[in-house]
Amino acid sequence: EIVMTQSPATLSVSPGERATLSCRASQSVNTNLAWYLQRPGQAPRLLIYGASTGATAIPARFSGSGSGTDFTLTISSLQSEDFAVYYCHQYNNWPLTFGGGTRVEIK
Amino acid sequence: EVQLVESGGGLVQPGGSLRLSCAASGFTFSNYEMNWVRQAPGKGLEWVSYINSGGDDKHYADSVKGRFTISRDNAKNSLFLQMNSLRADDTALYYCVRDGRQYEGAYRRFDHWGQGTLVTVSS
Repeated sequence: EIVMTQSPATLSVSPGERATLSCRASQSVNTNLAWYLQRPGQAPRLLIYGASTGATAIPARFSGSGSGTDFTLTISSLQSEDFAVYYCHQYNNWPLTFGGGTRVEIK
Repeated sequence: EVQLVESGGGLVQPGGSLRLSCAASGFTFSNYEMNWVRQAPGKGLEWVSYINSGGDDKHYADSVKGRFTISRDNAKNSLFLQMNSLRADDTALYYCVRDGRQYEGAYRRFDHWGQGTLVTVSS
C-alpha cells in the first residue's frame, strides 16, 4: 500500500498570504495525484487532479505541482473560504490512498 | 445537475450487516466508475471500494476485503455497498463518489461526492 504523508499537519496563515502544502508518497505515483478541500460539515471537493490540472470552477489561486513522490498544493492568496482541511490522494496503485490531511487555519 | 444521495446508514451491533445505497441522477450513470469513501468521526478520508462502469471490475481496501461487497444497478442508476461482519472501527460517514474520468487512461478525479450516510457500529 502506498502511504501518503502530508505536511504540515496544521498551517497557520493570515488572509491574503500564500500557503504551501506538501504531500509525499512512499513510492512513485507518477502524476496520478489529486487534491481535495473539505470545509467543516461538508463533503470533500475536488481541487486538482493529474497533479497539476485544476478542476472545473476552481479559482486560479489554487495550483498543484510535482511528480513521482513529492507534490505541492499552493494557494496564492488565502481567502476566508479557503480555511479548511486539504487532502492529497493517489490513484496510481490499488488500494487507493489518501494523506492524513493538512488543516489550514487563520493566523 | 449531478446528484448522489446515499441511504441505508444507521446503528448496528458488532458482527451485524448493513446495505448502503446511492441514488445517482443528473448524468449517465452507466458511463462512470464509482467509489465508496468513508470518514470516521473527526478523522481523515479512507477509500473503501471501487467498481467500474460495467460492474465487472472491483477493488477493496484491505480493511474491508472479504467483508464488504460493492455492486451497481445501471438500469436503476444505483450503487450499493453490502457490509457484513461490521466492527466498531467501521463507524464512519460513508460517501458515494463519482470518478469523473471520461475514458480509460484519463486521470481519475473524484469530482462529485454525496453528502454521506452515517454508519455506527456499537453494542
